[in-house]
Amino acid sequence: ELKVEQNPLFLSMQEGKNYTIYCNYSTTSDRLYWYRQDPGKSLESLFVLLSNGAVKQEGRLMASLDTKARLSTLHITAAVHDLSATYFCAVDGGNQFYFGTGTSLTVIP
Amino acid sequence: ETGVTQTPRHLVMGMTNKKSLKCEQHLGHNAMYWYKQSAKKPLELMFVYNFKEQTENNSVPSRFSPECPNSSHLFLHLHTLQPEDSALYLCASSQDWLAGREQFFGPGTRLTVL
Repeated sequence: ELKVEQNPLFLSMQEGKNYTIYCNYSTTSDRLYWYRQDPGKSLESLFVLLSNGAVKQEGRLMASLDTKARLSTLHITAAVHDLSATYFCAVDGGNQFYFGTGTSLTVIP
Repeated sequence: ETGVTQTPRHLVMGMTNKKSLKCEQHLGHNAMYWYKQSAKKPLELMFVYNFKEQTENNSVPSRFSPECPNSSHLFLHLHTLQPEDSALYLCASSQDWLAGREQFFGPGTRLTVL
């Protein structure tokens, strides 16, 4: 079974700071997805990464994929309070998606 | 309605009750999924339907019974549940199971089993 590890699990950061969330996975895959979940809400698709070296950016968030290292990163630039949420990566394991446990991000004014 | 909708949003049931969760997608997708989200655990895939055919059943107890009458609707029938089944149940859809894999999620049903 494919294992997906995210770190950190909890992140508290000040507004204006930068930080990176990491997603490591255990077996080969070249498709990875990032989702955002607000409390009591569903998962919202953020990024779809479909090849080695893929980089996608939307606003203050940038995601990248290194399939050789089995690593994806979600970089936050100049954080704002609106980014507070839980972020999940999901790896396409062929027969199903395997989700990380999520990173709970709190941005403090 | 747009996207993926789920009803009810909240459900409280006793262990002897029978209830059903409903999911409807308005995206023209052909694959639909049920996930269980418990506190401090990754999302667990329960069932996958592709073109109304069940393609995955991840060793889910038989007290959970899925039904997919057409590509737009998915049900999860519940009976004799246990308290540990309390969780957020999420429905998702994608274009299809093989090619268009990006999944779009519904708002979830928060289930509490007493």
